[in-house]
Amino acid sequence: AQSVTQPDIHITVSEGASLELRCNYSYGATPYLFWYVQSPGQGLQLLLKYFSGDTLVQGIKGFEAEFKRSQSSFNLRKPSVHWSDAAEYFCAVVPRGGNKLTFGTGTQLKVEL
Amino acid sequence: EPEVTQTPSHQVTQMGQEVILRCVPISNHLYFYWYRQILGQKVEFLVSFYNNEISEKSEIFDDQFSVERPDGSNFTLKIRSTKLEDSAMYFCASSDNPVGQETQYFGPGTRLLVL
Repeated sequence: AQSVTQPDIHITVSEGASLELRCNYSYGATPYLFWYVQSPGQGLQLLLKYFSGDTLVQGIKGFEAEFKRSQSSFNLRKPSVHWSDAAEYFCAVVPRGGNKLTFGTGTQLKVEL
Repeated sequence: EPEVTQTPSHQVTQMGQEVILRCVPISNHLYFYWYRQILGQKVEFLVSFYNNEISEKSEIFDDQFSVERPDGSNFTLKIRSTKLEDSAMYFCASSDNPVGQETQYFGPGTRLLVL
């Protein structure tokens, strides 16, 4: 069955530490891949997206993600986390030929000062 | 930067009542979507809308739900007779192209509580 999985429900990191949030997908053909962030009281904001080409994608707020076809993964990374990065992060996919987003369950990030 | 807006931010209603959730998509966008997120669960697709008709809908989007673009700027989601299980955060989104790689821009959501 087609699915997108975020294995980590909660992650806590110290400010200044590096961050990696995991996302795995299960689709016949590589879907379009997205990372969204949701801060309290805010909507879903797009951080970055991958369609094709360079497998390392740069996004806003210093985030990047790497597409690994062999692992069916699209993990989100940030070298140095800021307290303002505390939020919920959603991996999402759109199947090739489709246009509706399917979201993972989200990862809640807490940043310790 | 243009943004999607939604009203109200919160709504409390009694079971069986009708509710209308309103969205103003980004002005030059032509494709509109509703998603919902039940507390503690995934964000789920409800419906997509283009050219004044539904393009796609999920199995959640049953006869109790309807969407409309009444005036060229607003995009509404109506729930005719709310149930307890309709309590959720409802997100509107818009894009300028339906192709999957186009970014969908989301509003801040309406939190609906059905009592």
